[in-house]
Amino acid sequence: DGGITQSPKYLFRKEGQNVTLSCEQNLNHDAMYWYRQDPGQGLRLIYYSQIVNDFQKGDIAEGYSVSREKKESFPLTVTSAQKNPTAFYLCASTWETGTNTEAFFGQGTRLTVV
Amino acid sequence: RKEVEQDPGPFNVPEGATVAFNCTYSNSASQSFFWYRQDCRKEPKLLMSVYSSGNEDGRFTAQLNRASQYISLLIRDSKLSDSATYLCVVNPSNTGKLIFGQGTTLQVKP
Repeated sequence: DGGITQSPKYLFRKEGQNVTLSCEQNLNHDAMYWYRQDPGQGLRLIYYSQIVNDFQKGDIAEGYSVSREKKESFPLTVTSAQKNPTAFYLCASTWETGTNTEAFFGQGTRLTVV
Repeated sequence: RKEVEQDPGPFNVPEGATVAFNCTYSNSASQSFFWYRQDCRKEPKLLMSVYSSGNEDGRFTAQLNRASQYISLLIRDSKLSDSATYLCVVNPSNTGKLIFGQGTTLQVKP
Protein backbone atom coordinates (compact mmCIF):
# COMPACT_ATOMS: atom_id res chain seq x y z
CA ASP A 1 0.00 0.00 0.00
CA GLY A 2 1.22 3.49 -0.80
CA GLY A 3 1.61 5.88 2.03
CA ILE A 4 3.81 7.99 4.22
CA THR A 5 5.53 6.49 7.23
CA GLN A 6 6.99 8.22 10.23
CA SER A 7 9.08 6.52 12.84
CA PRO A 8 9.22 6.13 15.69
CA LYS A 9 5.73 6.89 16.97
CA TYR A 10 7.03 7.89 20.41
CA LEU A 11 10.51 9.16 21.18
CA PHE A 12 12.12 10.18 24.44
CA ARG A 13 15.41 12.03 24.61
CA LYS A 14 17.48 13.79 27.19
CA GLU A 15 17.90 17.51 26.98
CA GLY A 16 20.94 18.52 24.94
CA GLN A 17 20.85 15.55 22.59
CA ASN A 18 20.16 15.77 18.89
CA VAL A 19 17.49 13.46 17.57
CA THR A 20 16.44 12.53 14.02
CA LEU A 21 12.87 11.78 13.03
CA SER A 22 12.30 9.60 10.01
CA CYS A 23 9.80 10.25 7.21
CA GLU A 24 9.49 8.00 4.18
CA GLN A 25 6.89 8.03 1.40
CA ASN A 26 6.27 5.66 -1.50
CA LEU A 27 3.68 7.83 -3.21
CA ASN A 28 6.19 9.26 -5.69
CA HIS A 29 5.37 12.72 -4.34
CA ASP A 30 7.68 15.59 -5.17
CA ALA A 31 7.01 17.82 -2.19
CA MET A 32 7.47 16.96 1.47
CA TYR A 33 6.86 18.97 4.63
CA TRP A 34 7.56 18.93 8.34
CA TYR A 35 5.12 20.46 10.80
CA ARG A 36 5.12 20.85 14.52
CA GLN A 37 1.94 20.79 16.61
CA ASP A 38 1.73 21.81 20.26
CA PRO A 39 -1.26 20.96 22.47
CA GLY A 40 -4.36 22.91 21.46
CA GLN A 41 -2.48 24.55 18.60
CA GLY A 42 -2.51 24.31 14.84
CA LEU A 43 0.29 23.04 12.65
CA ARG A 44 3.35 25.22 12.18
CA LEU A 45 5.65 24.68 9.22
CA ILE A 46 9.27 23.85 10.04
CA TYR A 47 10.79 22.99 6.66
CA TYR A 48 9.57 21.95 3.25
CA SER A 49 11.12 20.53 0.12
CA GLN A 50 9.74 20.77 -3.39
CA ILE A 51 12.41 18.66 -5.05
CA VAL A 52 15.34 16.42 -4.23
CA ASN A 53 18.42 18.22 -2.90
CA ASP A 54 16.47 21.39 -2.24
CA PHE A 55 14.54 22.61 0.79
CA GLN A 56 13.28 25.84 2.30
CA LYS A 57 12.76 27.11 5.82
CA GLY A 58 9.26 27.39 7.11
CA ASP A 59 8.05 29.65 9.89
CA ILE A 60 9.87 27.98 12.78
CA ALA A 61 13.06 26.49 11.34
CA GLU A 62 15.42 27.57 14.12
CA GLY A 63 16.88 24.60 15.95
CA TYR A 64 15.95 22.13 13.21
CA SER A 65 17.72 20.76 10.16
CA VAL A 66 16.61 18.57 7.23
CA SER A 67 18.01 16.82 4.19
CA ARG A 68 16.42 15.59 0.97
CA GLU A 69 18.93 13.26 -0.63
CA LYS A 70 16.24 10.95 -1.98
CA LYS A 71 12.76 11.66 -3.25
CA GLU A 72 11.29 9.18 -0.80
CA SER A 73 12.94 10.45 2.35
CA PHE A 74 12.88 13.71 4.30
CA PRO A 75 14.42 13.24 7.78
CA LEU A 76 14.18 15.97 10.39
CA THR A 77 16.87 16.53 13.01
CA VAL A 78 15.87 18.30 16.19
CA THR A 79 19.05 19.83 17.51
CA SER A 80 20.01 20.85 21.01
CA ALA A 81 19.54 24.46 19.88
CA GLN A 82 15.76 23.98 19.76
CA LYS A 83 14.59 25.44 23.05
CA ASN A 84 11.23 23.66 23.38
CA PRO A 85 11.49 20.45 21.36
CA THR A 86 8.72 18.50 23.10
CA ALA A 87 5.87 18.38 20.58
CA PHE A 88 3.96 16.30 18.05
CA TYR A 89 5.84 16.25 14.72
CA LEU A 90 3.97 15.58 11.49
CA CYS A 91 5.44 14.86 8.09
CA ALA A 92 3.38 15.35 4.95
CA SER A 93 3.80 14.97 1.21
CA THR A 94 2.02 16.28 -1.86
CA TRP A 95 2.14 15.30 -5.50
CA GLU A 96 3.27 18.77 -6.48
CA THR A 97 2.98 22.26 -5.18
CA GLY A 98 0.29 23.29 -7.61
CA THR A 99 -3.38 23.83 -7.04
CA ASN A 100 -5.80 21.48 -5.32
CA THR A 101 -3.08 19.15 -4.22
CA GLU A 102 -4.06 17.00 -1.27
CA ALA A 103 -1.49 16.57 1.49
CA PHE A 104 -1.00 13.09 2.91
CA PHE A 105 0.26 12.84 6.46
CA GLY A 106 2.24 10.30 8.38
CA GLN A 107 0.95 9.20 11.77
CA GLY A 108 3.28 11.58 13.56
CA THR A 109 6.07 11.28 16.09
CA ARG A 110 5.55 12.41 19.67
CA LEU A 111 8.88 13.68 20.93
CA THR A 112 9.39 14.19 24.63
CA VAL A 113 12.59 15.75 25.89
CA VAL A 114 13.33 15.32 29.56
CA ARG B 1 -2.26 39.31 10.98
CA LYS B 2 -1.94 35.53 10.68
CA GLU B 3 -1.96 34.07 7.20
CA VAL B 4 -4.86 31.78 8.05
CA GLU B 5 -7.19 32.39 10.98
CA GLN B 6 -9.92 30.29 12.51
CA ASP B 7 -12.12 30.64 15.55
CA PRO B 8 -10.68 27.95 17.85
CA GLY B 9 -14.02 27.31 19.54
CA PRO B 10 -14.88 24.94 21.06
CA PHE B 11 -18.25 24.64 19.40
CA ASN B 12 -20.53 22.51 21.56
CA VAL B 13 -23.65 21.44 19.70
CA PRO B 14 -26.37 18.79 20.17
CA GLU B 15 -26.73 15.91 17.78
CA GLY B 16 -28.70 16.89 14.70
CA ALA B 17 -27.63 20.52 14.82
CA THR B 18 -26.22 22.48 11.92
CA VAL B 19 -22.90 24.16 12.58
CA ALA B 20 -20.73 26.43 10.45
CA PHE B 21 -17.05 27.33 10.67
CA ASN B 22 -15.31 30.17 8.95
CA CYS B 23 -11.68 30.65 8.06
CA THR B 24 -10.06 33.84 6.78
CA TYR B 25 -6.85 34.08 4.78
CA SER B 26 -4.61 37.07 4.16
CA ASN B 27 -3.05 36.36 0.76
CA SER B 28 -5.49 37.38 -1.93
CA ALA B 29 -3.52 35.40 -4.52
CA SER B 30 -4.10 32.09 -2.74
CA GLN B 31 -4.95 29.35 -5.17
CA SER B 32 -6.26 26.35 -3.34
CA PHE B 33 -8.13 25.65 -0.15
CA PHE B 34 -8.95 22.61 1.91
CA TRP B 35 -10.67 21.46 5.06
CA TYR B 36 -8.95 18.75 7.08
CA ARG B 37 -10.24 16.84 10.05
CA GLN B 38 -8.00 15.90 12.96
CA ASP B 39 -9.02 13.50 15.69
CA CYS B 40 -7.38 13.71 19.09
CA ARG B 41 -3.70 12.70 18.94
CA LYS B 42 -3.96 11.63 15.30
CA GLU B 43 -2.75 13.01 12.01
CA PRO B 44 -4.97 15.35 9.94
CA LYS B 45 -6.95 13.80 7.12
CA LEU B 46 -8.49 15.52 4.14
CA LEU B 47 -12.19 16.19 4.56
CA MET B 48 -12.74 18.10 1.35
CA SER B 49 -11.17 20.50 -1.09
CA VAL B 50 -12.90 23.84 -1.55
CA TYR B 51 -13.74 24.90 -5.08
CA SER B 52 -14.66 28.34 -6.32
CA SER B 53 -18.21 27.31 -7.09
CA GLY B 54 -18.67 25.69 -3.69
CA ASN B 55 -19.01 21.97 -3.20
CA GLU B 56 -20.98 19.51 -1.19
CA ASP B 57 -20.23 16.03 0.09
CA GLY B 58 -23.15 14.49 1.93
CA ARG B 59 -23.76 16.52 5.08
CA PHE B 60 -20.74 18.75 4.45
CA THR B 61 -20.74 21.90 2.33
CA ALA B 62 -17.70 24.07 1.64
CA GLN B 63 -17.82 27.58 0.25
CA LEU B 64 -15.18 30.01 -0.94
CA ASN B 65 -15.62 33.77 -0.92
CA ARG B 66 -12.63 35.32 -2.71
CA ALA B 67 -13.86 38.89 -2.36
CA SER B 68 -13.93 38.64 1.43
CA GLN B 69 -11.10 36.12 1.59
CA TYR B 70 -12.76 33.46 3.62
CA ILE B 71 -13.83 29.87 3.30
CA SER B 72 -16.54 28.15 5.25
CA LEU B 73 -17.56 24.65 6.23
CA LEU B 74 -21.15 23.78 7.02
CA ILE B 75 -22.05 20.53 8.74
CA ARG B 76 -25.71 19.52 8.73
CA ASP B 77 -27.36 16.95 10.99
CA SER B 78 -24.31 16.68 13.25
CA LYS B 79 -23.32 13.22 14.46
CA LEU B 80 -21.38 12.29 17.58
CA SER B 81 -18.66 11.03 15.26
CA ASP B 82 -18.22 14.54 13.83
CA SER B 83 -16.51 15.57 17.07
CA ALA B 84 -13.00 16.55 16.06
CA THR B 85 -10.83 19.52 15.20
CA TYR B 86 -11.37 21.01 11.75
CA LEU B 87 -8.35 22.59 10.12
CA CYS B 88 -8.49 25.15 7.35
CA VAL B 89 -5.59 24.87 4.89
CA VAL B 90 -4.51 27.36 2.26
CA ASN B 91 -1.95 27.07 -0.53
CA PRO B 92 -0.89 30.69 -1.10
CA SER B 93 -0.18 31.15 -4.79
CA ASN B 94 1.85 28.03 -5.46
CA THR B 95 4.62 28.97 -3.05
CA GLY B 96 5.01 25.36 -2.08
CA LYS B 97 3.84 26.09 1.44
CA LEU B 98 0.63 24.71 2.84
CA ILE B 99 -0.54 27.03 5.61
CA PHE B 100 -2.75 25.64 8.36
CA GLY B 101 -5.13 27.50 10.58
CA GLN B 102 -5.06 26.69 14.28
CA GLY B 103 -8.18 24.57 13.97
CA THR B 104 -11.74 24.75 15.25
CA THR B 105 -12.82 22.19 17.80
CA LEU B 106 -16.29 20.69 17.48
CA GLN B 107 -17.91 18.69 20.23
CA VAL B 108 -21.23 17.07 19.35
CA LYS B 109 -23.21 15.97 22.39
CA PRO B 110 -26.08 13.48 22.66
